[in-house]
Amino acid sequence: QTVVTQEPSLTVSPGGTVTLTCASSTGAVTSGYYPNWFQQKPGQAPRALIYSTSNKHSWTPARFSGSLLGGKAALTLSGVQPEDEAEYYCLLYYGGARVFGGGTKLTVL
Amino acid sequence: EVQLLESGGGLVQPGGSLRLSCAASGFTFSDYAMTWVRQAPGKGLEWVSTISGTSISTYYADSVEGRFTISRDNSKNTLYLQMNSLRAEDTAVYYCAKDSPLDYGMDVWGQGTTVTVSS
Repeated sequence: QTVVTQEPSLTVSPGGTVTLTCASSTGAVTSGYYPNWFQQKPGQAPRALIYSTSNKHSWTPARFSGSLLGGKAALTLSGVQPEDEAEYYCLLYYGGARVFGGGTKLTVL
Repeated sequence: EVQLLESGGGLVQPGGSLRLSCAASGFTFSDYAMTWVRQAPGKGLEWVSTISGTSISTYYADSVEGRFTISRDNSKNTLYLQMNSLRAEDTAVYYCAKDSPLDYGMDVWGQGTTVTVSS
């Protein structure tokens, strides 16, 4: 069974920078896994942020960026705002099936 | 504006069946694959199933394979999820989502419908 692993929680100060990562139990994450990132706030549906590793949707704030880092997919938030406090999920593609990471709870404090 | 509206959730006994629907608007429905994702109470997101725009291809998570069936009616702009042999662990909010045309992610999500499996 494929497992996708994210940091359970991270804390960042307003205005700071934080990087969330997404690892696959099958090995290094590459662009062929089409990493996606989603943001979910309490009581709301998820919202898409990043697709195909590093591409932003038209509604994605510029402070969000995606990359590959050390064999993992990564989401970096630069100049964090209080409204960025949320749960963040990555999604990887495995040739038909897709697997979400367990999510990272980001606290802005 | 792209909109997805799920319906059909409710309370069902273990072993029972339920059919979820997702009404789509604001885009050419048949051009896009569609996906169901669920979220158990207090838990993370779980991919459930995906269907191609023409219904030729369907994909399922191991946890629902053989019990759930995804389908779509492009003439009605509606996505379905037939859920049989329901278990307590199927209790979740079920979201439908439109697949991105650019990769294998989902770019637009509905607000979800709640399924509770309990006696």
